[in-house]
Amino acid sequence: DAGITQSPRYKITETGRQVTLMCHQTWSHSYMFWYRQDLGHGLRLIYYSAAADITDKGEVPDGYVVSRSKTENFPLTLESATRSQTSVYFCASGPGLGYGYTFGSGTRLTVV
Amino acid sequence: AQSVTQLDSHVSVSEGTPVLLRCNYSSSYSPSLFWYVQHPNKGLQLLLKYTSAATLVKGINGFEAEFKKSETSFHLTKPSAHMSDAAEYFCVVSRIRFGNEKLTFGTGTRLTIIP
Repeated sequence: DAGITQSPRYKITETGRQVTLMCHQTWSHSYMFWYRQDLGHGLRLIYYSAAADITDKGEVPDGYVVSRSKTENFPLTLESATRSQTSVYFCASGPGLGYGYTFGSGTRLTVV
Repeated sequence: AQSVTQLDSHVSVSEGTPVLLRCNYSSSYSPSLFWYVQHPNKGLQLLLKYTSAATLVKGINGFEAEFKKSETSFHLTKPSAHMSDAAEYFCVVSRIRFGNEKLTFGTGTRLTIIP
């Protein structure tokens, strides 16, 4: 199916564990993004990628790692999860700057 | 620097009546502006965008927004609300500079439709 898919939809993990959130898009969009959505903060950019093998930090990158070996995939890894990383994570993609982006359905992550 | 303020955190309207969601922005550059909608447990969907062409922008599902530079506003409207419009709406300002795009999201307006 065409679109942008995130997995898992829900995840509970323990403090200190590593967890990876997956994002896959079928449009071959150049740009991909990871945001987190928290009450009182709105959406904040964690990392973005302009193309395969090109990534850069956003507003709140600490504690996260990304990679983009293939255009269609943009996984986000929490190296050692903390309770403050409990959030809803959204992946987005777009063909270029200024076009607006398509968002996935989100991953709700709870760190206990 | 850029910022966006959504003036109402919650708006309630009756089905069939007009919708007005207010957004003011601040930007040092000529901005691009977007409205996104988020239905419960869903991702954000692009409703419409302004990119310095026509100041009145038409989007999906009957929504439109007017860019008013003198008032630094980009309010979202719809003539007649439908039950399916109940959702969270986000106003977003964008700045493209040095090959990067910075999006600044508003804190959202929750739209409730009264049957």
